[in-house]
Amino acid sequence: KAGVTQTPRYLIKTRGQQVTLSCSPISGHRSVSWYQQTPGQGLQFLFEYFSETQRNKGNFPGRFSGRQFSNSRSEMNVSTLELGDSALYLCASRGTSGTQTQYFGPGTRLLVL
Amino acid sequence: LAKTTQPISMDSYEGQEVNITCSHNNIATNDYITWYQQFPSQGPRFIIQGYKTKVTNEVASLFIPADRKSSTLSLPRVSLSDTAVYYCLVGVQTGANNLFFGTGTRLTVIP
Repeated sequence: KAGVTQTPRYLIKTRGQQVTLSCSPISGHRSVSWYQQTPGQGLQFLFEYFSETQRNKGNFPGRFSGRQFSNSRSEMNVSTLELGDSALYLCASRGTSGTQTQYFGPGTRLLVL
Repeated sequence: LAKTTQPISMDSYEGQEVNITCSHNNIATNDYITWYQQFPSQGPRFIIQGYKTKVTNEVASLFIPADRKSSTLSLPRVSLSDTAVYYCLVGVQTGANNLFFGTGTRLTVIP
């Protein structure tokens, strides 16, 4: 099976702009979670989508949003970018059977100037 | 999710066995213990998962005592490419639970 894929891998934006990141989960996985990783805060949970519905949300401002499509692909959007949004954004997918281990994609490195 | 405590960093020479211990005193009955490995600028990679006793795969072994309040990841004969951050997570990976990543253990393998 192909792993989790994320696009783009690298992105440079300026303050005030918005950005959309994409994640394709492992085939058959219906849950997609998003995480932000920065040197200062470590890996932090943003939100999780399951069957096109957000079912869990971390402690991030409303500028961070997401959605999931019927094919389980997910997008994450950040509006009005701030310098502090520079980070590695990771997507993880998991199945619905067994211990439901999460599998991560390679991440999107976002740099906000 | 139960919080975990791990050493911040460890050094080891190539070829040695490395044991990283994680404390999770508040582990719940349904919680599994999962370890991830992360290289710089990459997503965490699943290494091993267990519930009790010992689990072994081609990469590592996981030792879990009877009280399950701690666990030890064992990496046999490490190489330079094992230099990474290792995260221990505890929780029930079902339903609406997200993963809580602590600071992890930064393992440096020395030639």
